[in-house]
Amino acid sequence: DVKVTQSSRYLVKRTGEKVFLECVQDMDHENMFWYRQDPGLGLRLIYFSYDVKMKEKGDIPEGYSVSREKKERFSLILESASTNQTSMYLCASRRGGNNSPLHFGNGTRLTVT
Amino acid sequence: GESVGLHLPTLSVQEGDNSIINCAYSNSASDYFIWYKQESGKGPQFIIDIRSNMDKRQGQRVTVLLNKTVKHLSLQIAATQPGDSAVYFCAEMDSSYKLIFGSGTRLLVRP
Repeated sequence: DVKVTQSSRYLVKRTGEKVFLECVQDMDHENMFWYRQDPGLGLRLIYFSYDVKMKEKGDIPEGYSVSREKKERFSLILESASTNQTSMYLCASRRGGNNSPLHFGNGTRLTVT
Repeated sequence: GESVGLHLPTLSVQEGDNSIINCAYSNSASDYFIWYKQESGKGPQFIIDIRSNMDKRQGQRVTVLLNKTVKHLSLQIAATQPGDSAVYFCAEMDSSYKLIFGSGTRLLVRP
């Protein structure tokens, strides 16, 4: 089975802090994704990566950046956390090419105070 | 537990009955569809997928039906169990290979 592991289940940070969310997958998947999930808004794509060193903006990239230095690891960075970034963050991966499902981690619940 | 959505449509079924969860998709050019299950406090879990060259696909206790004419997708769960209680999302893949998620349906299983 595919395993996508997010390093923290819960995080509490202060406004203005730099925040790192880490994600690791163990299936040698080329593609990796970061979503946020908010009540009433569903899943929204922040950034994705087709392969190592590559990154693409999703639908809501503002206030975020990403890093993919190794194939198995995809990091989401909040340069200066704000209260409107309080959310559930979900990482996902899939093998490259079309017609393959995303496999998700269990999420990181981030609260910015 | 954590709520994944407010005011989601809810389907309530008796344990042992069959469940049918429906989804309308938006893009007639989408050619790949997926159903996910999300339990409280967890990430979405892949259930089953289907390509647009198929009308039906069966898994263990689940069946996905695709009607391209009316852009409709359904998930049927046979002999629904308490562990099936969750939010269910459909997703379609567009030409850029990004997934577009539906808003979800909450399934409640009554004992």
